[in-house]
Amino acid sequence: QQQVKQSPQSLIVQKGGISIINCAYENTAFDYFPWYQQFPGKGPALLIAIRPDVSEKKEGRFTISFNKSAKQFSLHIMDSQPGDSATYFCAASWMDSNYQLIWGAGTKLIIKP
Amino acid sequence: GAGVSQSPRYKVAKRGQDVALRCDPISGHVSLFWYQQALGQGPEFLTYFQNEAQLDKSGLPSDRFFAERPEGSVSTLKIQRTQQEDSAVYLCASSLVVTSGRANEQFFGPGTRLTVL
Repeated sequence: QQQVKQSPQSLIVQKGGISIINCAYENTAFDYFPWYQQFPGKGPALLIAIRPDVSEKKEGRFTISFNKSAKQFSLHIMDSQPGDSATYFCAASWMDSNYQLIWGAGTKLIIKP
Repeated sequence: GAGVSQSPRYKVAKRGQDVALRCDPISGHVSLFWYQQALGQGPEFLTYFQNEAQLDKSGLPSDRFFAERPEGSVSTLKIQRTQQEDSAVYLCASSLVVTSGRANEQFFGPGTRLTVL
């Protein structure tokens, strides 16, 4: 019930294309859904986050779509660039857990020039 | 200002040795989290501090793992009698406060890669 399931495991997208990564969860108590970007040898860095009272959030080329009834959320990267090549993690957390993050397994994204 | 720093960046230990991993959070950050990240996996929660109080240690995998933050700033994760299954990257994160808004953003250090031979 605490799991966050992420797909795909890996993704190759042409430069300028749209990258889409999906996540699903079970625990309806989750109230905070961040996406993190991690480069090799570095710690994860927050990319964008959403709360369940909003169905979509956009920051620059990055958009989160959130479907509360389906318990799914996704990250869209528009106009993907080679510099976006990294591993992306979705996560979820909730107040009663002091907002410890429950993480997906990660998606390795490669943007081909 | 400086971000979260961790030391050492790499640690090789022989099975059975004790290790201590240090985390320096961002100054003024109340909350501090430790996560364990196995190769090719997402991080997994280990423990949480609010100032010097360890409020949640439910993720610590065994009683060989111990964490402290005695003055509410620097934290140390100690692993006694290391085993091969302890090999992983140990990540530390800090945040200003615990809320559901942007202030909840957890800032991560680069991690300590522990290899147990």
